[in-house]
Amino acid sequence: DVKVTQSSRYLVKRTGEKVFLECVQDMDHENMFWYRQDPGLGLRLIYFSYDVKMKEKGDIPEGYSVSREKKERFSLILESASTNQTSMYLCASSLEDGYTFGSGTRLTVV
Amino acid sequence: RKEVEQDPGPFNVPEGATVAFNCTYSNSASQSFFWYRQDCRKEPKLLMSVYSSGNEDGRFTAQLNRASQYISLLIRDSKLSDSATYLCVVISSGSARQLTFGSGTQLTVLP
Repeated sequence: DVKVTQSSRYLVKRTGEKVFLECVQDMDHENMFWYRQDPGLGLRLIYFSYDVKMKEKGDIPEGYSVSREKKERFSLILESASTNQTSMYLCASSLEDGYTFGSGTRLTVV
Repeated sequence: RKEVEQDPGPFNVPEGATVAFNCTYSNSASQSFFWYRQDCRKEPKLLMSVYSSGNEDGRFTAQLNRASQYISLLIRDSKLSDSATYLCVVISSGSARQLTFGSGTQLTVLP
Protein backbone atom coordinates (compact mmCIF):
# COMPACT_ATOMS: atom_id res chain seq x y z
CA ASP A 1 0.00 0.00 0.00
CA VAL A 2 1.06 3.56 -0.69
CA LYS A 3 1.97 5.37 2.43
CA VAL A 4 1.79 9.11 2.83
CA THR A 5 3.31 10.29 6.07
CA GLN A 6 2.83 13.69 7.61
CA SER A 7 5.41 14.56 10.20
CA SER A 8 3.10 15.88 12.91
CA ARG A 9 -0.42 14.95 13.93
CA TYR A 10 -0.95 18.03 16.11
CA LEU A 11 0.96 21.28 16.10
CA VAL A 12 0.57 24.52 18.06
CA LYS A 13 2.44 27.59 16.84
CA ARG A 14 2.48 31.26 17.70
CA THR A 15 1.38 34.06 15.39
CA GLY A 16 4.27 35.20 13.22
CA GLU A 17 6.23 31.97 13.46
CA LYS A 18 7.52 30.26 10.35
CA VAL A 19 5.95 26.81 10.17
CA PHE A 20 7.02 23.79 8.15
CA LEU A 21 4.64 20.91 7.46
CA GLU A 22 6.36 17.90 5.99
CA CYS A 23 4.91 15.17 3.83
CA VAL A 24 6.67 12.07 2.52
CA GLN A 25 5.33 9.37 0.20
CA ASP A 26 6.97 6.05 -0.51
CA MET A 27 5.57 5.03 -3.89
CA ASP A 28 7.46 7.22 -6.34
CA HIS A 29 4.35 9.25 -7.19
CA GLU A 30 4.78 12.19 -9.51
CA ASN A 31 1.99 14.34 -8.08
CA MET A 32 1.72 15.70 -4.58
CA PHE A 33 -0.82 18.06 -3.06
CA TRP A 34 -1.50 20.14 0.02
CA TYR A 35 -5.08 20.78 1.10
CA ARG A 36 -6.61 22.43 4.11
CA GLN A 37 -9.94 21.36 5.50
CA ASP A 38 -12.26 23.64 7.41
CA PRO A 39 -15.83 23.07 8.65
CA GLY A 40 -18.38 24.01 6.03
CA LEU A 41 -15.72 24.68 3.41
CA GLY A 42 -14.49 21.18 2.71
CA LEU A 43 -11.02 20.52 1.36
CA ARG A 44 -9.40 23.35 -0.52
CA LEU A 45 -6.25 23.01 -2.59
CA ILE A 46 -3.35 25.19 -1.48
CA TYR A 47 -0.50 24.07 -3.76
CA PHE A 48 0.41 21.08 -5.82
CA SER A 49 3.47 19.72 -7.56
CA TYR A 50 3.71 17.37 -10.52
CA ASP A 51 7.47 16.95 -10.50
CA VAL A 52 10.58 17.71 -8.51
CA LYS A 53 11.15 21.45 -8.19
CA MET A 54 7.83 22.12 -9.89
CA LYS A 55 4.95 23.77 -8.05
CA GLU A 56 1.63 25.29 -8.97
CA LYS A 57 -0.80 27.39 -6.99
CA GLY A 58 -4.07 25.88 -6.01
CA ASP A 59 -7.19 27.77 -5.02
CA ILE A 60 -5.90 29.39 -1.81
CA PRO A 61 -2.10 29.83 -2.00
CA GLU A 62 -1.94 33.16 -0.16
CA GLY A 63 0.20 32.97 2.96
CA TYR A 64 1.77 29.68 1.94
CA SER A 65 4.72 28.43 -0.06
CA VAL A 66 5.95 24.95 -0.89
CA SER A 67 9.14 23.09 -1.60
CA ARG A 68 9.71 19.90 -3.61
CA GLU A 69 13.44 19.25 -3.64
CA LYS A 70 13.03 15.47 -3.77
CA LYS A 71 10.32 13.43 -5.41
CA GLU A 72 9.16 11.79 -2.21
CA ARG A 73 8.94 14.96 -0.09
CA PHE A 74 6.59 17.92 -0.39
CA SER A 75 6.80 20.60 2.25
CA LEU A 76 4.23 23.28 3.04
CA ILE A 77 5.59 26.48 4.55
CA LEU A 78 3.69 29.14 6.41
CA GLU A 79 6.01 32.12 6.18
CA SER A 80 4.39 33.98 9.06
CA ALA A 81 1.63 32.01 10.71
CA SER A 82 -1.65 33.74 11.40
CA THR A 83 -4.69 32.66 13.40
CA ASN A 84 -6.76 32.22 10.23
CA GLN A 85 -4.36 29.46 9.21
CA THR A 86 -5.59 27.32 12.08
CA SER A 87 -6.89 24.29 10.22
CA MET A 88 -6.48 20.63 9.36
CA TYR A 89 -3.81 20.22 6.68
CA LEU A 90 -3.87 17.17 4.46
CA CYS A 91 -1.17 16.03 2.11
CA ALA A 92 -1.90 13.67 -0.78
CA SER A 93 0.02 11.98 -3.53
CA SER A 94 -1.18 10.40 -6.74
CA LEU A 95 -0.31 8.47 -9.81
CA GLU A 96 -3.02 8.99 -12.40
CA ASP A 97 -6.29 9.14 -10.47
CA GLY A 98 -5.31 7.06 -7.47
CA TYR A 99 -5.01 9.51 -4.60
CA THR A 100 -3.73 8.62 -1.15
CA PHE A 101 -3.94 11.02 1.76
CA GLY A 102 -1.78 11.38 4.80
CA SER A 103 -3.49 11.29 8.18
CA GLY A 104 -3.42 15.06 8.49
CA THR A 105 -1.82 17.71 10.68
CA ARG A 106 -4.10 19.73 12.91
CA LEU A 107 -2.39 23.11 13.22
CA THR A 108 -3.45 25.65 15.79
CA VAL A 109 -2.01 29.15 15.59
CA VAL A 110 -2.34 31.12 18.81
CA ARG B 1 -21.02 29.32 -7.22
CA LYS B 2 -18.89 26.54 -5.79
CA GLU B 3 -17.34 24.20 -8.32
CA VAL B 4 -18.70 21.15 -6.51
CA GLU B 5 -21.82 21.40 -4.34
CA GLN B 6 -23.33 18.93 -1.93
CA ASP B 7 -26.15 19.01 0.58
CA PRO B 8 -24.23 19.09 3.89
CA GLY B 9 -26.93 17.17 5.74
CA PRO B 10 -26.83 15.82 8.33
CA PHE B 11 -28.71 12.75 7.19
CA ASN B 12 -29.87 10.64 10.13
CA VAL B 13 -31.30 7.31 9.00
CA PRO B 14 -32.19 4.05 10.75
CA GLU B 15 -30.22 0.90 10.14
CA GLY B 16 -31.38 -0.87 7.03
CA ALA B 17 -32.60 2.29 5.32
CA THR B 18 -31.69 3.34 1.81
CA VAL B 19 -30.14 6.77 1.52
CA ALA B 20 -29.09 8.81 -1.50
CA PHE B 21 -26.73 11.74 -1.84
CA ASN B 22 -26.49 14.08 -4.78
CA CYS B 23 -23.72 16.34 -5.90
CA THR B 24 -23.57 18.90 -8.69
CA TYR B 25 -20.50 20.22 -10.45
CA SER B 26 -20.15 23.39 -12.47
CA ASN B 27 -17.22 22.64 -14.81
CA SER B 28 -18.55 20.82 -17.86
CA ALA B 29 -14.97 19.88 -18.76
CA SER B 30 -14.63 17.75 -15.63
CA GLN B 31 -13.25 14.38 -16.50
CA SER B 32 -13.33 12.05 -13.54
CA PHE B 33 -15.62 11.67 -10.60
CA PHE B 34 -15.34 9.95 -7.26
CA TRP B 35 -16.95 9.48 -3.90
CA TYR B 36 -14.63 9.59 -0.91
CA ARG B 37 -15.50 8.67 2.62
CA GLN B 38 -14.09 10.51 5.62
CA ASP B 39 -14.48 9.28 9.16
CA CYS B 40 -14.32 11.71 12.04
CA ARG B 41 -10.78 13.04 12.52
CA LYS B 42 -9.42 10.81 9.78
CA GLU B 43 -8.22 11.41 6.25
CA PRO B 44 -10.48 10.95 3.22
CA LYS B 45 -10.36 7.55 1.58
CA LEU B 46 -11.59 6.56 -1.83
CA LEU B 47 -14.96 4.85 -1.70
CA MET B 48 -15.59 4.41 -5.40
CA SER B 49 -15.11 5.93 -8.79
CA VAL B 50 -18.14 7.07 -10.75
CA TYR B 51 -18.54 6.00 -14.35
CA SER B 52 -20.93 7.26 -16.99
CA SER B 53 -22.59 3.88 -17.20
CA GLY B 54 -23.12 3.78 -13.45
CA ASN B 55 -21.37 1.35 -11.19
CA GLU B 56 -22.15 -0.74 -8.17
CA ASP B 57 -20.02 -2.07 -5.35
CA GLY B 58 -22.00 -4.18 -2.95
CA ARG B 59 -24.54 -1.94 -1.23
CA PHE B 60 -23.19 1.19 -2.92
CA THR B 61 -24.28 2.47 -6.32
CA ALA B 62 -22.81 5.53 -8.00
CA GLN B 63 -24.21 7.28 -11.04
CA LEU B 64 -23.12 10.14 -13.24
CA ASN B 65 -25.36 12.37 -15.32
CA ARG B 66 -23.11 14.46 -17.55
CA ALA B 67 -25.97 16.33 -19.21
CA SER B 68 -27.24 17.62 -15.88
CA GLN B 69 -23.79 17.66 -14.30
CA TYR B 70 -24.63 15.71 -11.20
CA ILE B 71 -23.36 12.64 -9.43
CA SER B 72 -25.23 10.46 -7.02
CA LEU B 73 -24.42 7.87 -4.39
CA LEU B 74 -27.00 5.37 -3.19
CA ILE B 75 -26.42 3.29 -0.07
CA ARG B 76 -28.77 0.35 0.47
CA ASP B 77 -29.32 -1.52 3.73
CA SER B 78 -27.41 1.07 5.77
CA LYS B 79 -25.09 -0.18 8.49
CA LEU B 80 -23.95 1.63 11.60
CA SER B 81 -20.44 1.53 10.14
CA ASP B 82 -21.61 3.62 7.18
CA SER B 83 -21.75 6.66 9.46
CA ALA B 84 -19.24 9.11 8.02
CA THR B 85 -18.96 12.16 5.83
CA TYR B 86 -19.22 11.45 2.11
CA LEU B 87 -17.25 13.71 -0.18
CA CYS B 88 -18.05 14.24 -3.82
CA VAL B 89 -14.86 14.73 -5.79
CA VAL B 90 -14.22 15.91 -9.32
CA ILE B 91 -11.09 16.01 -11.43
CA SER B 92 -10.89 18.67 -14.10
CA SER B 93 -8.33 18.65 -16.85
CA GLY B 94 -4.94 19.88 -15.83
CA SER B 95 -1.31 19.00 -15.53
CA ALA B 96 -1.58 17.12 -12.27
CA ARG B 97 -5.26 16.19 -12.35
CA GLN B 98 -5.98 17.77 -9.01
CA LEU B 99 -9.09 16.91 -7.07
CA THR B 100 -11.82 19.39 -6.29
CA PHE B 101 -13.90 18.44 -3.28
CA GLY B 102 -17.43 19.13 -2.28
CA SER B 103 -17.83 20.14 1.35
CA GLY B 104 -19.25 16.74 2.23
CA THR B 105 -22.52 15.20 3.34
CA GLN B 106 -22.68 13.88 6.87
CA LEU B 107 -24.46 10.57 7.39
CA THR B 108 -25.37 9.05 10.74
CA VAL B 109 -26.94 5.61 10.76
CA LEU B 110 -28.95 5.06 13.93
CA PRO B 111 -29.52 1.72 15.67
